[in-house]
Amino acid sequence: QKEVEQNSGPLSVPEGAIASLNCTYSDRGSQSFFWYRQYSGKSPELIMFIYSNGDKEDGRFTAQLNKASQYVSLLIRDSQPSDSATYLCAVNRPGGYQKVTFGTGTKLQVIP
Amino acid sequence: DTGVSQNPRHKITKRGQNVTFRCDPISEHNRLYWYRQTLGQGPEFLTYFQNEAQLEKSRLLSDRFSAERPKGSFSTLEIQRTEQGDSAMYLCASDRVTDTEAFFGQGTRLTVV
Repeated sequence: QKEVEQNSGPLSVPEGAIASLNCTYSDRGSQSFFWYRQYSGKSPELIMFIYSNGDKEDGRFTAQLNKASQYVSLLIRDSQPSDSATYLCAVNRPGGYQKVTFGTGTKLQVIP
Repeated sequence: DTGVSQNPRHKITKRGQNVTFRCDPISEHNRLYWYRQTLGQGPEFLTYFQNEAQLEKSRLLSDRFSAERPKGSFSTLEIQRTEQGDSAMYLCASDRVTDTEAFFGQGTRLTVV
């Protein structure tokens, strides 16, 4: 079992729709959860991080965490073509530094 | 530009050659990380420095790989006797103890031919 699992996609959504990206993790000791966006050939850029169960909203993005189910998701409302990218889920164990484990990413395509 | 800086951005080398990459972290960041990302995969952790001390190395970091951070500022990652399987994007990140996440540089894309 991979430590962080994501559906590789591609996930296609029409412009203006809600895109839902999902991630599961295997280590119950994971403490911090991150969503990164990565455009082709570029480095990952952080979109959201979440530590506590529940929802966290930032603009058009909402991260959801359920530690009991070991599940984290990212919702993108009013999807735009510029949101088309690979979205990487990453988790970190407590340890005092940012050694994160990434999933393989989900490719999102927003269709105009 | 006050972000994490990596050089070169692209490197093409012949199999068997040695290559060295440089990472300049954000100036006040005392923690530095190297990751490797191959096509279709997420970044994989290679090694971590706190100041000049290398505190963790992944088993992915074979004996052909060596990383240094001699004065606790910039870091270098050297790959000796490169192999085609070393072709990847090498990412550097840095942060401080008080940061919630590490900040990534733009990466160095290595192609071994």
